[in-house]
Amino acid sequence: LAKTTQPISMDSYEGQEVNITCSHNNIATNDYITWYQQFPSQGPRFIIQGYKTKVTNEVASLFIPADRKSSTLSLPRVSLSDTAVYYCLVGDPQAGTALIFGKGTTLSVSS
Amino acid sequence: DVKVTQSSRYLVKRTGEKVFLECVQDMDHENMFWYRQDPGLGLRLIYFSYDVKMKEKGDIPEGYSVSREKKERFSLILESASTNQTSMYLCASTGGAGGRGKLFFGSGTQLSVL
Repeated sequence: LAKTTQPISMDSYEGQEVNITCSHNNIATNDYITWYQQFPSQGPRFIIQGYKTKVTNEVASLFIPADRKSSTLSLPRVSLSDTAVYYCLVGDPQAGTALIFGKGTTLSVSS
Repeated sequence: DVKVTQSSRYLVKRTGEKVFLECVQDMDHENMFWYRQDPGLGLRLIYFSYDVKMKEKGDIPEGYSVSREKKERFSLILESASTNQTSMYLCASTGGAGGRGKLFFGSGTQLSVL
């Protein structure tokens, strides 16, 4: 099972771009990389998922280098409402295997 | 809209009680998971199930058991609750064509064992 390592916390100001990197050195061939956002007293919610290269949706971008041993979640122009915990999850959600989260990154956005 | 429903938002139990936490999903997902979340420790996997009547241990199964008699329902059981099981419990599911790759979480149950 691929383990993930993320920074424990990050600080930013409104309007800045935030990049959170996740290391996953032993990622398996069938594993996807998925990022989740969690607000206090709520369950995590899906942000973005990728397998390789770059993926972009309406809220974030995900950059994955060719070796797939790391990934970077990019949040453009953050606002106060982006203050949350962000989790990187590596695994194959369809494989019927354990999905193990790391400890996540607490992002604090200030005005 | 997809939905994972946990039976209770808040629960208070006594030490030694048998506790049932229920989770129901309406997406016909094959895979269901139970996590607990404690401050500073992130999400830790207790048990998961990839099919009816199938279950697998996660990282911290001690003191817990699970039941999956129907595809839509996954129950977490604390056979004899202890104070160190006070925590937020989160259920999640994934699977099916519409949910591939995404874990859908319930709102969580905050359990206090006194």
